[in-house]
Amino acid sequence: GQNIDQPTEMTATEGAIVQINCTYQTSGFNGLFWYQQHAGEAPTFLSYNVLDGLEEKGRFSSFLSRSKGYSYLLLKELQMKDSASYLCAVRDSNYQLIWGAGTKLIIKP
Amino acid sequence: DSGVTQTPKHLITATGQRVTLRCSPRSGDLSVYWYQQSLDQGLQFLIQYYNGEERAKGNILERFSAQQFPDLHSELNLSSLELGDSALYFCASSVFGDGGELFFGEGSRLTVL
Repeated sequence: GQNIDQPTEMTATEGAIVQINCTYQTSGFNGLFWYQQHAGEAPTFLSYNVLDGLEEKGRFSSFLSRSKGYSYLLLKELQMKDSASYLCAVRDSNYQLIWGAGTKLIIKP
Repeated sequence: DSGVTQTPKHLITATGQRVTLRCSPRSGDLSVYWYQQSLDQGLQFLIQYYNGEERAKGNILERFSAQQFPDLHSELNLSSLELGDSALYFCASSVFGDGGELFFGEGSRLTVL
């Protein structure tokens, strides 16, 4: 079957760095997406990786290793507004998105 | 603002009833996706349409149905509602039907009493 694993919840301190991991087992691979979702709001796109390596976008970076079936989202200089759920999604061989359950990130002052 | 419009934003109804949720995709987007999100749960994929045709089906109950119209707006019909159907229902759109970057509407919050 297809499976995506993310930690359920993480806590970090304002100003610090946090890494949210995502491991996947899917039928094929055509890219991995990270979305941010504040409570009660719509998910919004953060990043896309299809090749191995690191993609940097401001305070957020996303890494992919296809051979390991692994990705992480790195958030630097954490701000209170970064408190949200972070969703990992993999596009499989049929170009269908398989979603993880999301990681709830709690930022403490 | 993602450009995806969903109505209604909130809906309260009783068990056994039927409701229709509406979604207008971003201008130019051909594909529409419907997701269900129960409280503190992940996104559950229901169904996808591309240019009026059903493209993929997820764990959509038989009591639920959807369609995409020629003007590309979509409707999700939920019937014989149960308490467990209470959730946020999101519509998302993308340019093509290849699961690329999705733009989500603000959701329709359904409460079944």
